[in-house]
Amino acid sequence: GAGVSQSPSNKVTEKGKDVELRCDPISGHTALYWYRQRLGQGLEFLIYFQGNSAPDKSGLPSDRFSAERTGESVSTLTIQRTQQEDSAVYLCASSWGQGASYEQYFGPGTRLTVT
Amino acid sequence: EDKVVQSPLSLVVHEGDTVTLNCSYEVTNFRSLLWYKQEKKAPTFLFMLTSSGIEKKSGRLSSILDKKELFSILNITATQTGDSAIYLCAVEAFMIKAAGNKLTFGGGTRVLVKP
Repeated sequence: GAGVSQSPSNKVTEKGKDVELRCDPISGHTALYWYRQRLGQGLEFLIYFQGNSAPDKSGLPSDRFSAERTGESVSTLTIQRTQQEDSAVYLCASSWGQGASYEQYFGPGTRLTVT
Repeated sequence: EDKVVQSPLSLVVHEGDTVTLNCSYEVTNFRSLLWYKQEKKAPTFLFMLTSSGIEKKSGRLSSILDKKELFSILNITATQTGDSAIYLCAVEAFMIKAAGNKLTFGGGTRVLVKP
């Protein structure tokens, strides 16, 4: 079946512009995660959804970042007034349930470059 | 703040060599430790460890957890060029406030296997 998909695969934007990143999880997966990976670094947890709600938003780097999920399906991560430090690969993952006992399936990521 | 540290940052070996990767952690409400292999963008799951001293094995890869000393090692024997990747360690912790679990990733170890 189809895996996790993300769009766009690459995005180049000018500093100060807003961007929206999309994640389509595997159908039926209730948990959805967003991570950020800067060049040469490990994954940084941003936020997770259980269903449509996000119990913990403390991983979001600043108030310029927001995320939503509708219909227990698609999620969007929005970055307002982008800064060069936002340049990274943004990875989305989904799983049947919340917690590591449910394997997270990762999408291919969106590479964001802020010029 | 939860912390996961991996060492070495990178290493170069020749085919047939054995490599040992280290992951140490400091987290509150530890649940499990996971290893991932990342070749391009999306990490792929290798192991999940919850109990001390029990080795998990998959082909030439094996891993063990020490919950007293708060570390895990990942061994790769008889390395092949296809083992070249970034190996990520992640620790799952329970978030009381959010009533859910969160993965904190280490910075990764970049392994290059030369022919």
